[in-house]
Amino acid sequence: GQNIDQPTEMTATEGAIVQINCTYQTSGFNGLFWYQQHAGEAPTFLSYNVLDGLEEKGRFSSFLSRSKGYSYLLLKELQMKDSASYLCAVHTYNQGGKLIFGQGTELSVKP
Amino acid sequence: DSGVTQTPKHLITATGQRVTLRCSPRSGDLSVYWYQQSLDQGLQFLIQYYNGEERAKGNILERFSAQQFPDLHSELNLSSLELGDSALYFCASSVSGDTDTQYFGPGTRLTVL
Repeated sequence: GQNIDQPTEMTATEGAIVQINCTYQTSGFNGLFWYQQHAGEAPTFLSYNVLDGLEEKGRFSSFLSRSKGYSYLLLKELQMKDSASYLCAVHTYNQGGKLIFGQGTELSVKP
Repeated sequence: DSGVTQTPKHLITATGQRVTLRCSPRSGDLSVYWYQQSLDQGLQFLIQYYNGEERAKGNILERFSAQQFPDLHSELNLSSLELGDSALYFCASSVSGDTDTQYFGPGTRLTVL
């Protein structure tokens, strides 16, 4: 089967750094996406990792370890507008573009 | 704005009815995906089309069907609606339909009463 785990909720302070973890167990792993979703809105693309290592994009970075089935999203210099749900999604071989999403991590940024 | 459009934004209907949700992909994208998001299930993949052909299928109910037309827009048909079908339905599109990034539309909120 396929399983993706993320913490349900996290709280952090404005200006701080937060790390959101995602672990997965899938056969035919081909890459991992992170999306941000504000309540009632569309998910928006943040990052994509296919090789091991860190991908940095402004205040957001994402890390992947294929051997450990583990990824994290790192958000720096948190802003109030970063309060949202963060979705980890796995892509596997031979299933077209199908993405399997985790339940999402609801991040609350406090002043 | 992702460039993916969906209509209608909101839909309220009764159990047993049938509805059609419409999606237009970003210009140049050949692949369209449908996802269902309910409070207790998270974002669930339903089905993918690439250039008019079905490419991948998730746990889509038999009461649900979809198609992609020659102009690449897609429709998701939901029939014999049940209360549990109430959810946000998202369409996404991508260029090639494999590992490339999917861009999501604003969604259709379906309420079944």
